[in-house]
Amino acid sequence: DAGITQSPRHKVTETGTPVTLRCHQTENHRYMYWYRQDPGHGLRLIHYSYGVKDTDKGEVSDGYSVSRSKTEDFLLTLESATSSQTSVYFCAIKTEYNEQFFGPGTRLTVL
Amino acid sequence: RKEVEQDPGPFNVPEGATVAFNCTYSNSASQSFFWYRQDCRKEPKLLMSVYSSGNEDGRFTAQLNRASQYISLLIRDSKLSDSATYLCVVNDRGYKYIFGTGTRLKVLA
Repeated sequence: DAGITQSPRHKVTETGTPVTLRCHQTENHRYMYWYRQDPGHGLRLIHYSYGVKDTDKGEVSDGYSVSRSKTEDFLLTLESATSSQTSVYFCAIKTEYNEQFFGPGTRLTVL
Repeated sequence: RKEVEQDPGPFNVPEGATVAFNCTYSNSASQSFFWYRQDCRKEPKLLMSVYSSGNEDGRFTAQLNRASQYISLLIRDSKLSDSATYLCVVNDRGYKYIFGTGTRLKVLA
């Protein structure tokens, strides 16, 4: 157990509304990640962070923003949710051995 | 060509069987390799890292072939509880991870 939690675990929202997902870790890892997982695709990187206030884009970052004001928290925001953002979102950390550990995921449905 | 490719399966095997999965990767400069297990509607969980010399953990054996750019996972004496999707993951450039789409395994009683 890498001490990673995500909230909310499930969310249903309407197109055009803002949504923020939270990832919290308890073990002070420097790197944190947000992925989305959709049928037929591997996990795809949205954004990642390599330290407080240090973030960068992944391969599917359009429509998403992130913030990391504390080591333990990494927030993912959908400024104006669209139906194409219906997905399962996983947060992850990277250890010093390059291993990744994942949070339990958030199931987001955009109607 | 996809960066990481896996046979999606499903592989249906009887209990006690030995089953092997392969995964190919395109970037010869890839640094680290992993197998993850993912149960339905759950997060991926690290099964094992894959080392150049190969490594074994109980009934699971992982191998890396850098020359042919593939990694493999062998499961011996399959259990019903091994039924899951197995994800191949390749680490490039330190921060970047490329995920295969997974191979589904179903172990039958």
